[in-house]
Amino acid sequence: KAGVTQTPRYLIKTRGQQVTLSCSPISGHRSVSWYQQTPGQGLQFLFEYFSETQRNKGNFPGRFSGRQFSNSRSEMNVSTLELGDSALYLCASSLAGRGLAPNNEQFFGPGTRLTVL
Amino acid sequence: SQKIEQNSEALNIQEGKTATLTCNYTNYSPAYLQWYRQDPGRGPVFLLLIRENEKEKRKERLKVTFDTTLKQSLFHITASQPADSATYLCALANTGNQFYFGTGTSLTVIP
Repeated sequence: KAGVTQTPRYLIKTRGQQVTLSCSPISGHRSVSWYQQTPGQGLQFLFEYFSETQRNKGNFPGRFSGRQFSNSRSEMNVSTLELGDSALYLCASSLAGRGLAPNNEQFFGPGTRLTVL
Repeated sequence: SQKIEQNSEALNIQEGKTATLTCNYTNYSPAYLQWYRQDPGRGPVFLLLIRENEKEKRKERLKVTFDTTLKQSLFHITASQPADSATYLCALANTGNQFYFGTGTSLTVIP
């Protein structure tokens, strides 16, 4: 089975621009979560989509948004980029199902490294 | 809000010894806790899950304990090897599938 893929792997943008990141989950996985990882804050939860609906949301401003398509692929958008948005953005997919999967294991992609200048 | 702390940012141990990593949390009652391993430039990889009603879980050289009274999980790697060097993350979740991660502990196993 192919793993979680994320595109692009690296991205450089300037302040004020917007960016769209893409994530393709493992085949059969309906849950896709997005995380922001920075050295100071660690892995912070952005949001989770399940069957095209946002099911959970973290404490990020409205500039961060996402969506999920019928094939479970997901996109994340950040508008009006700020320097502090520079981070590794990770996508993770899982079978869940609220608490249904035996391990509720999340499978992470390699991430998109976003640099805002 | 919930807070998750992992012991010392970095831990160095000698090959063959047991590494013990700590995850403490406050203001949260997780349904389960997971441990992940992350290598540089890669996404985290799932290692173990332990539920709130379980005290201990083992998988090969790995052992996890979970004390909901102390609000603490311990992660042990026995007979550590240089290949175990990585950053280890704990993650707490409720049945709603929303995860909260600690900042991680960087483990270096010295040959």
